[in-house]
Amino acid sequence: DIQMTQSPSSLSASVGDRVTITCRTSQSLSRTYLNWYQQKLGEAPKLLIYGVSSLQSGVPSRFSGSGSGTDFTLTISSLQPEDFATYYCQQANSHPWTFGQGTKVEIK
Amino acid sequence: EVQLVESGGDLVQPGGALTLSCAASGFTFRNSWMGWVRQAPGKGLEWVANINRDGSQKYYVDSVKGRFSISRDNAKNSLYLQINSLRAEDAAIYYCCRHGNDNFEYWGQGTLVTVSS
Repeated sequence: DIQMTQSPSSLSASVGDRVTITCRTSQSLSRTYLNWYQQKLGEAPKLLIYGVSSLQSGVPSRFSGSGSGTDFTLTISSLQPEDFATYYCQQANSHPWTFGQGTKVEIK
Repeated sequence: EVQLVESGGDLVQPGGALTLSCAASGFTFRNSWMGWVRQAPGKGLEWVANINRDGSQKYYVDSVKGRFSISRDNAKNSLYLQINSLRAEDAAIYYCCRHGNDNFEYWGQGTLVTVSS
């Protein structure tokens, strides 16, 4: 199974800050099936980024994804009040599909 | 508009069984892979199972193999998850998801399964 490790587990940031979340996989992803989701409290998760760097329709351009091999990054270029949430990476390179443990982005 | 509406969540005793349902609308259901993802209270996300378009391929996380069964009825635009031999660790919100290209593109609001005697 491919293990997913996100860092940090939580962070505090201010509106306007640039935020970077890292996801490391236990095996190199031979296919670029690395996705990022946002989950706000009490809501279902929402797909933000798919295939490492493709922005899901309707997602603001301040969100971006990058990476290859075992190291992947989600970046929020200028944090907005509505971005305070928990973020998860997820791989679909092979079954079982697995998620990272989540990164909670809180208001400083 | 894509809509996924789960139902069937309940309070069940350990060892019990129930069936979760997901009613899909707003897209061509028979053309979409579908899946279930769960989230235990205060915890992260865990993929549970997925199924291909005609139901001939099914995949499960190891912890539910032999106890859970995913199925679909394309004529009814519905996805199901049969859960048997419930354990305390199965307690969670269960989300129905429509796949995009190897991702969970759309999510329902979830249905809560509680396991307690």
